[in-house]
Amino acid sequence: DIQMTQSPSSVSASVGDRVTITCRASQGISSWLAWYQQKPGKAPKLLIYAASSLQSGVPSRFSGSGSGTDFTLTISSLQPEDFATYYCQQANSFPPSFGGGTKVEIK
Amino acid sequence: QVQLQESGPGLVKPSQTLSLTCTVSGGSISSGSYYWSWIRQPAGKGLEWIGRIYTSGSTNYNPSLKSRVTISVDTSKNQFSLKLSSVTAADTAVYYCAREYTYYPDYWGQGTLVTVSS
Repeated sequence: DIQMTQSPSSVSASVGDRVTITCRASQGISSWLAWYQQKPGKAPKLLIYAASSLQSGVPSRFSGSGSGTDFTLTISSLQPEDFATYYCQQANSFPPSFGGGTKVEIK
Repeated sequence: QVQLQESGPGLVKPSQTLSLTCTVSGGSISSGSYYWSWIRQPAGKGLEWIGRIYTSGSTNYNPSLKSRVTISVDTSKNQFSLKLSSVTAADTAVYYCAREYTYYPDYWGQGTLVTVSS
């Protein structure tokens, strides 16, 4: 199975900050990576797929990059509604697997 | 707008079988090139993919759970279902159903908490 490792596990930031979250795959997954946002008590929401494609309806302040084993989710200007936990997911190899999550907290 | 809704018992006894159903609305479960999946999340922990079923009825299961999992589809009711046998406390989690498009879950149900306890 492919292991997905996210860093940091948590980050404290202020509204307006630029936030970057990293996801590393234990082996190459090409661009088969998605990012999700999850708020407490809610289901995850798809933000980015295919490493850098923005899901319909997701604000443009979210962006994704990377290929192979190293990927990044960037929030260009953090908004109050962005405080949540973010997960990466690989879809290259069976079974699909998720990272451990990064909690974005208010500083 | 596609919507998914999980239903089933919130409490299951150890060694018994967990059974959940996902009802899809806003679109036919048979149309399009979609997989229909189950994903779970223990409290305070990360996400674990359980398995998926294609509209043809073909299935894929997580090898870690394969011996205990069955996913089926009822196109006449626009539903798909999960059965997980021989449950233990480690199976206590929020269970989500989801639609997968090109292997990415893009629509999710709200989730249902299943507790395994006697």
